[in-house]
Amino acid sequence: LVQESGPGLVRPSGTLSLTCTVSGGSISNNKYWWTWVRQSPGKGLEWIGEIYHRGFTNYNPSFKSRVTISVDKSKNQFSLKLSSMTAADTAVYYCARGDSYNWNYWGQGTLVTVSS
Amino acid sequence: ELVLTQYPGTLSLSPGERATLSCRASQSVASTYLAWYQQKPGQAPRLLIYGASNRATGIPDRFSGSASGTDFTLTISRLEPEDFAVYYCQQYGTSPPMYTFGQGTRLEIK
Repeated sequence: LVQESGPGLVRPSGTLSLTCTVSGGSISNNKYWWTWVRQSPGKGLEWIGEIYHRGFTNYNPSFKSRVTISVDKSKNQFSLKLSSMTAADTAVYYCARGDSYNWNYWGQGTLVTVSS
Repeated sequence: ELVLTQYPGTLSLSPGERATLSCRASQSVASTYLAWYQQKPGQAPRLLIYGASNRATGIPDRFSGSASGTDFTLTISRLEPEDFAVYYCQQYGTSPPMYTFGQGTRLEIK
């Protein structure tokens, strides 16, 4: 299982910080990549990026200049930081476990609103 | 950049009918990299099909996927009431390594 946590409100120009806690297995399992996906209200799904437990990352070029995904193996967690937030970044943010180019385990999602 | 186009945008059908949802890729992609998800309101997406034609664990056999060149199809052979939802196709591209979703098809009760 994976579960997102973090603040539901971020100020414009601020930085979003979310954590995904992995339970029922090790984040260091060599099979899996760990991913962040978001969904703006009433819109479709958008892949943000992914990380492997050894620290390798891939990012969506649309976010590359302001996104950082990191892993904390001691806590079995991975995290998302997204800087320079605007209203357009208001969305439900999901973490998920990747296996062979798809995701079969998703968190319930956390709504992040960008507002002053 | 790889673009996935899903059609139709909305499909109105009745329970018991057959649903055919399409996803077209803007360039050649390996079937291995194509997945389908179902999403209901207020829920996370649920993996249905991976590798274009393989059902994920626990997915009923009324769901099937197929591929022909850059065209991918999700078929629901006989619609159940719980199948009315939004469906997304998703593809992995290698240059650069990234994932792309289609814009979704809304399957609604007629």
